Amino acid sequence: QSALTQPASVSGSPGQSITISCTGTSSDVGSYNLVSWYQQHPGKAPKLMIYEVSKRPSGVSNRFSGSKSGNTASLTISGLQAEDEADYYCCSYAGSSTPVFGTGTKVTVL
Amino acid sequence: EVQLVQSGAEVKKPGESLKISCKGSGYSFTSYWIGWVRQMPGKGLEWMGIIYPGDSDTRYSPSFQGQVTISADKSISTAYLQWSSLKASDTAMYYCARGYAGAHDAFDIWGQGTMVTVSS
Repeated sequence: QSALTQPASVSGSPGQSITISCTGTSSDVGSYNLVSWYQQHPGKAPKLMIYEVSKRPSGVSNRFSGSKSGNTASLTISGLQAEDEADYYCCSYAGSSTPVFGTGTKVTVL
Repeated sequence: EVQLVQSGAEVKKPGESLKISCKGSGYSFTSYWIGWVRQMPGKGLEWMGIIYPGDSDTRYSPSFQGQVTISADKSISTAYLQWSSLKASDTAMYYCARGYAGAHDAFDIWGQGTMVTVSS
């Protein structure tokens, strides 16, 4: 199990849209529509933002959306706001063992 | 309110043992997976293992197999993460989390974290 690959950082201005990629393999992202995304503010526990590639839990803003193509999943944040500045982690089901996280992406709102 | 409450911060010496806890409330503890996640200082999230308290089905990440033990006591709705011999490299924040909708591919409720510091 290797960590999924994410860009180290992504930035955007308020109101813009940004997209974070998450690249895995045919053993994880490519085999299952079970990719989730987490937001983590400094000193806080992670928060589930997206599950099953594109579904949002109750209470999560519709500015967050997810998609997947082949071995790569993506999280898009539209209408970027200051409160979106945080670390974001993708996660994929990987079979009978535990899920696997991505390397994490720091989102900066300029 | 559905919540997971973790035990408090620990300071230990190398070679000592430790067991930290994660108590669930507000839901049927036996019907949801619980996972443990490590976050070393300034680093990313890592899955350590998951357990289904209903039947104690436990799965470990290959990186943590043999290094820690995950267990659960369903009579008191509590999951545990334990070490038999701590190392300085175990210094990290540890989170427990509940599997979403009874599955173990996404985790919706998280504990507040337990900081473990191992230093001589």
